[in-house]
Amino acid sequence: QKEVEQDPGPLSVPEGAIVSLNCTYSNSAFQYFMWYRQYSRKGPELLMYTYSSGNKEDGRFTAQVDKSSKYISLFIRDSQPSDSATYLCAILNTGNQFYFGTGTSLTVIP
Amino acid sequence: DAGVTQSPTHLIKTRGQQVTLRCSPISGHKSVSWYQQVLGQGPQFIFQYYEKEERGRGNFPDRFSARQFPNYSSELNVNALLLGDSALYLCASSLDHTRAGAVETQYFGPGTRLLVL
Repeated sequence: QKEVEQDPGPLSVPEGAIVSLNCTYSNSAFQYFMWYRQYSRKGPELLMYTYSSGNKEDGRFTAQVDKSSKYISLFIRDSQPSDSATYLCAILNTGNQFYFGTGTSLTVIP
Repeated sequence: DAGVTQSPTHLIKTRGQQVTLRCSPISGHKSVSWYQQVLGQGPQFIFQYYEKEERGRGNFPDRFSARQFPNYSSELNVNALLLGDSALYLCASSLDHTRAGAVETQYFGPGTRLLVL
């Protein structure tokens, strides 16, 4: 079983839609959860990180963690064409090793 | 401030050859990690170095090796290249991985795209 599972999509939404991206993880010891955005042929860019269950908001982005279900989500409100990218969830274990999901490809259509 | 830099940006090699990839971390960052990202997949952890010492190793064969220099820059070496080594190789730097309980977020470079023919 992979440490992190992520639906690869692709996901296509109209501009202004609310986008929901999700990952599940296997090890309840994982403590820190990140979301990265990766544009084509670029390195991943950190969007948000959190370490507790609940919601964390940053502008149009909300990260949600449910440790009881081992489920993490990223919501994008009022999606824009510039949000079109691949979104990667990542989890950091206590040994400071990162485990990434496979990424979800998102296209926001104007 | 400059971000993480990597060189070269692109590289073409043939099977059996050896390759060296280079990374310069963000100024003040002491930890460097290397990842392999195959097309359509998420990055896979290869190595982490901190203060010139290996602090973590992923599930990669011994053909992969790395080192970190006193200025915290790093090199990743891959010997006896295989077709399956074709990928984007990402370097990420972080400030310090040793503080217990700290979330040492990593900042990624643009990567080196390696094609093995």
